[in-house]
Amino acid sequence: GESVGLHLPTLSVQEGDNSIINCAYSNSASDYFIWYKQESGKGPQFIIDIRSNMDKRQGQRVTVLLNKTVKHLSLQIAATQPGDSAVYFCAVGWTLTFGGGTRLMVKP
Amino acid sequence: DTAVSQTPKYLVTQMGNDKSIKCEQNLGHDTMYWYKQDSKKFLKIMFSYNNKELIINETVPNRFSPKSPDKAHLNLHINSLELGDSAVYFCASSQEGGDYGYTFGSGTRLTVV
Repeated sequence: GESVGLHLPTLSVQEGDNSIINCAYSNSASDYFIWYKQESGKGPQFIIDIRSNMDKRQGQRVTVLLNKTVKHLSLQIAATQPGDSAVYFCAVGWTLTFGGGTRLMVKP
Repeated sequence: DTAVSQTPKYLVTQMGNDKSIKCEQNLGHDTMYWYKQDSKKFLKIMFSYNNKELIINETVPNRFSPKSPDKAHLNLHINSLELGDSAVYFCASSQEGGDYGYTFGSGTRLTVV
């Protein structure tokens, strides 16, 4: 089966700094990975995904890095803004096994 | 314009009651899901369903049953509600082979008293 873990339950950053949220997964055969953002009172919202044939993918202010050797996934947010404050989840596999979430708090 | 909509947003009910949560998606997706999010924010899949197959997470009690009147709807019916059923329930949908992962509804907060 698949298990997904996150290294930090809460991450506090200063506005304008870069944020890095990490995720570890257990199944080396996993081939699809997604990051979601969940704001208070809302459902998870897709941020960015990556397939296992890639090791990096960039979006608007976000970058996902995939290290299949150590089964590690990270989400980098550039120039973090107060609106980025939320809980971030990594999810693995086409049937979405979610990690436990990291709360990102942005200090003005 | 809401892509995945769930009703009600809040549901407070007594133990032992039977309740339903409705979900509709207007994205034309072929698969729908129910997830449960506990108080620690952990998201766990309960069901996935398309017009061909219902996949049930074996840890879900049989008091929970999905009902799909058509491709755009997947309702969640819960019998004999228990205190431990209190959580936020999310409906989601996806298109096989599509991008952008799953689209989630805004959730239904169920409180059993």
